[in-house]
Amino acid sequence: DQQVKQNSPSLSVQEGRISILNCDYTNSMFDYFLWYKKYPAEGPTFLISISSIKDKNEDGRFTVFLYKSAKHLSLHIVPSQPGDSAVYFCAASSSGSARQLTFGSGTQLTVLP
Amino acid sequence: KAGVTQTPRYLIKTRGQQVTLSCSPISGHRSVSWYQQTPGQGLQFLFEYFSETQRNKGNFPGRFSGRQFSNSRSEMNVSTLELGDSALYLCASSLELANNEQYFGPGTRLTVT
Repeated sequence: DQQVKQNSPSLSVQEGRISILNCDYTNSMFDYFLWYKKYPAEGPTFLISISSIKDKNEDGRFTVFLYKSAKHLSLHIVPSQPGDSAVYFCAASSSGSARQLTFGSGTQLTVLP
Repeated sequence: KAGVTQTPRYLIKTRGQQVTLSCSPISGHRSVSWYQQTPGQGLQFLFEYFSETQRNKGNFPGRFSGRQFSNSRSEMNVSTLELGDSALYLCASSLELANNEQYFGPGTRLTVT
């Protein structure tokens, strides 16, 4: 039972355009969401997070939107750069699970020059 | 500040053997979590250690175990290896127990033949 789902295994975007990565969750107890980026042969790197008390969090080119009623969140990267090409993982946690992170299966983003 | 280090980076073992993986967290971090990553499965939480005690455990068989030392370094052990244990094993550290922002090491790639 996948509680965090990233339904698009891959996404290709032209450099300079917007990249939108999507994530759905089923557990209504999740109250904290994170995005990680992973390059080959490296561990995931924390990118941005959002608490369920907010619906938007912005950090430079990265913005995460949370749609609680739809149990959906998205990561926007504007403008996309070739260096953004990586696998992006969505993760979620709840205070009831001692903050154990549940990850999605990842989306491979390719930014074309 | 040095990041999370994991040793060895690559390992090949035979079915039925046992293996020990090592993780050194970021200096000052007291919590260490372990994850398994297999193709198509995303990252699956194994367990979390804090103050030398296992505080949180994922849904893995008892063949998977770990420990944490007084300097916060952690080891993970898998006994009676199976082919399905072939995976990337990632260690993540955080300042405190069940802290949302975890910092990952590069992982140990285990291949079971």
